[in-house]
Amino acid sequence: QLQLQESGPGLVKPSETLSLTCTVSGGSTSSDSSYWAWIRQPPGKGLEWIGSIYYSESTYYSPSLKSRVTMSVDTSKNQFSLQLTSVTAADTAVYYCARRRWQLWAFDYWGQGTLVTVST
Amino acid sequence: QSALTQPPSVSGSPGQSVTISCSGTSSDIGGYNRVSWYQQPPGTAPKLMIYEVSYRPSGVPDRFSGSKSGNTASLTISGLQAEDEADYYCTSYRSGSTWVFGGGTKLTVL
Repeated sequence: QLQLQESGPGLVKPSETLSLTCTVSGGSTSSDSSYWAWIRQPPGKGLEWIGSIYYSESTYYSPSLKSRVTMSVDTSKNQFSLQLTSVTAADTAVYYCARRRWQLWAFDYWGQGTLVTVST
Repeated sequence: QSALTQPPSVSGSPGQSVTISCSGTSSDIGGYNRVSWYQQPPGTAPKLMIYEVSYRPSGVPDRFSGSKSGNTASLTISGLQAEDEADYYCTSYRSGSTWVFGGGTKLTVL
């Protein structure tokens, strides 16, 4: 059974960089059959796709966040990561990592989510 | 990047059926059979309920069904149960290798 677990600071200062890691168990980030994604949800609001990464080679980002987002995969640690630069209060949200299986057009496994607050 | 359009709320009594709509464009819902639906009870992570418009993952009751017509997708829940009360989100693949979510619909079981 695939499991995903987000980790990282719960508090980030405005203008700084938000960095999160998703640890994968029960599966491999080096698999060519999975896309790995980050999705966020501001408090009381809806879901927003941030981006996806495939096999450490191809990255796809939301047009509205593209200038501030970087995603990467560390296959040695079976993790993938998100960096979001120049954060503001509008980036306060629960951040989820998720998996999309190759040729399955949906996100079938999700982490439990981690709340990141942007504040001084 | 505009979100897909969902009604903010729907409600129904136990045993009834409800339908949640999700409207998009020809660049997302209308252009691909890549619509999925997620159930999110308060304080929990989303759970996949329908993928590729109308397919149910293993373990999802057949009371949940999905469909699409043109640029609008729909999720129908028949035989409503109290445990179905949650927020529901649609999402679709969009041209340019991106994904877009709906704003979410709160289902209340009366």
